Amino acid sequence: QKEVEQNSGPLSVPEGAIASLNCTYSDRGSQSFFWYRQYSGKSPELIMFIYSNGDKEDGRFTAQLNKASQYVSLLIRDSQPSDSATYLCAVKSPNNNDMRFGAGTRLTVKP
Amino acid sequence: KAGVTQTPRYLIKTRGQQVTLSCSPISGHRSVSWYQQTPGQGLQFLFEYFSETQRNKGNFPGRFSGRQFSNSRSEMNVSTLELGDSALYLCASSLGQGGEYDGYTFGSGTRLTVV
Repeated sequence: QKEVEQNSGPLSVPEGAIASLNCTYSDRGSQSFFWYRQYSGKSPELIMFIYSNGDKEDGRFTAQLNKASQYVSLLIRDSQPSDSATYLCAVKSPNNNDMRFGAGTRLTVKP
Repeated sequence: KAGVTQTPRYLIKTRGQQVTLSCSPISGHRSVSWYQQTPGQGLQFLFEYFSETQRNKGNFPGRFSGRQFSNSRSEMNVSTLELGDSALYLCASSLGQGGEYDGYTFGSGTRLTVV
């Protein structure tokens, strides 16, 4: 079992729709969870982090965390073509500074 | 403040050669982590350096090594290059002192091609 799993996609949504990206992790003691966006040919950039159960909203982005289910998700409301990218879920180990990444979900937002 | 600086941006090397990549973290950040990214394997953790010491290590062969200097700048070295080492190498800067939020800031990466 991989430490961090994501649906590889591709996920395609129409402009203005809600895009839902999902991630599960294996280490029950994980404490912090991050979403990175990576455009083609670029390096990952941090867009959201969450460490408490529940929802965290930042503009059009909402991160959701359920530690009991070991599940974290990212919702993108009113999706725009500029949101087309690969989204990486990352989980921070409870014991050190190690960050483990999922394989990423490629999102395409069609005009 | 200045971001994370990786040099060089691109490299082409021949099998059997060695290569050294450099990463300067954000000022005040003491942790530098290195990742290899390939289309098939995604982001794979190489190692992390904190205060000049290797603190964590991923599952890569001994041909991959690194070090960190007193100013927190880090280098990684790959010896006896193989075709499979062709990848984007990313370094990530962080405070390295734990806590609920201590996210990574990535450099632009070094694209290594082995021919």
